[in-house]
Amino acid sequence: QKEVEQDPGPLSVPEGAIVSLNCTYSNSAFQYFMWYRQYSRKGPELLMYTYSSGNKEDGRFTAQVDKSSKYISLFIRDSQPSDSATYLCATAYSGAGSYQLTFGKGTKLSVIP
Amino acid sequence: GAVVSQHPSWVICKSGTSVKIECRSLDFQATTMFWYRQFPKQSLMLMATSNEGSKATYEQGVEKDKFLINHASLTLSTLTVTSAHPEDSSFYICSARDLGQGNGYTFGSGTRLTVV
Repeated sequence: QKEVEQDPGPLSVPEGAIVSLNCTYSNSAFQYFMWYRQYSRKGPELLMYTYSSGNKEDGRFTAQVDKSSKYISLFIRDSQPSDSATYLCATAYSGAGSYQLTFGKGTKLSVIP
Repeated sequence: GAVVSQHPSWVICKSGTSVKIECRSLDFQATTMFWYRQFPKQSLMLMATSNEGSKATYEQGVEKDKFLINHASLTLSTLTVTSAHPEDSSFYICSARDLGQGNGYTFGSGTRLTVV
């Protein structure tokens, strides 16, 4: 079993839809969770960073973490064509210092105008 | 926010030659940088952890003599692909964390290497 599981999609939605992206992880030692957006042939861009169970909101994006079920989600409201990209979830053991990240495979999202 | 500058963004080289990729942390010091490799439609695969002033730590299966990493200063890490072959063609990305910001990890823009 991979440490972080993520449905690779592809996921296609109409403009304005609410998008739900999900990951599960197996190692309860993971404490920090991130969502990255990656456009084709570009480096990943950090969208959200959180370390506690619950919701964290930033504009149209909401990250949700449920440590009891080892489940993390990213919701995108009022999706736009510019949101079309691959979304990667990532986890880390600690927020102190620099620790390697463990990534999901990424979900490719297409928002259709 | 924290910025990691990566160059070149795109390079083509002949088989057997070496290619150097640079990553610089702008406006913050990075004692640790991470180097990833990404194949088409795949996620990022960690190759090595670069530590300023000491030897890099390589992941299992990554040839340290082929992928030379140098982290001579707190703002610069380089990855040199030596004696490149077509199978080394890939997307290489570096990452670092601005500990002063307490945020997630910042990635460079990536380098697409094509070996012909």
